[in-house]
Amino acid sequence: EAGVVQSPRYKIIEKKQPVAFWCNPISGHNTLYWYRQNLGQGPELLIRYENEEAVDDSQLPKDRFSAERLKGVDSTLKIQPAELGDSAVYLCASKTGTANSPLHFGNGTRLTVT
Amino acid sequence: KQEVTQIPAALSVPEGENLVLNCSFTDSAIYNLQWFRQDPGKGLTSLLLIQSSQREQTSGRLNASLDKSSGRSTLYIAASQPGDSATYLCAVRRGSEKLVFGKGTKLTVNP
Repeated sequence: EAGVVQSPRYKIIEKKQPVAFWCNPISGHNTLYWYRQNLGQGPELLIRYENEEAVDDSQLPKDRFSAERLKGVDSTLKIQPAELGDSAVYLCASKTGTANSPLHFGNGTRLTVT
Repeated sequence: KQEVTQIPAALSVPEGENLVLNCSFTDSAIYNLQWFRQDPGKGLTSLLLIQSSQREQTSGRLNASLDKSSGRSTLYIAASQPGDSATYLCAVRRGSEKLVFGKGTKLTVNP
């Protein structure tokens, strides 16, 4: 099966500019996650979707971050405006609705804000 | 708040050695625990998932154990190979679908 696909792989932008990341989960995976991973740290959850509904966005900085999963399949994460501290790897993951199914991660988008 | 700690942060071993990576968590009310592998510049690959009712899971040369009462899990790697070099992360899940990750152990297996 095709894995979780993310694009772009790398993005370099100047601070205050907008940026968007795209994720296509594994076919049939209802649950989709966006994580942020800083260097030397584990991933931290930004938002979780069950189909098209955002069921946990408590850690999403809503003043500058937004996400959507309009048709319950692929998803977009946006930052506007970006700040220097947003430099990180943004990871998308998906899983089936089965209780103990594992997470499948994409290769991530490495964002550098200058 | 659930906290996950992995010790050591880095480990270097010669090829062929058996090794153990450690993961501890503060809240024993977990749903499951997963071990992941992350290669440089890549996403995470799920290695083993242990349900809260299980004590261990095995896959090839990997064996993961879980002791909920003490808040600990170990990942045992037998006969390590240079291709095992990566960062290994553990993550615990509570009732919701949220995973809390440790910072990982960076493993280097020297030929």
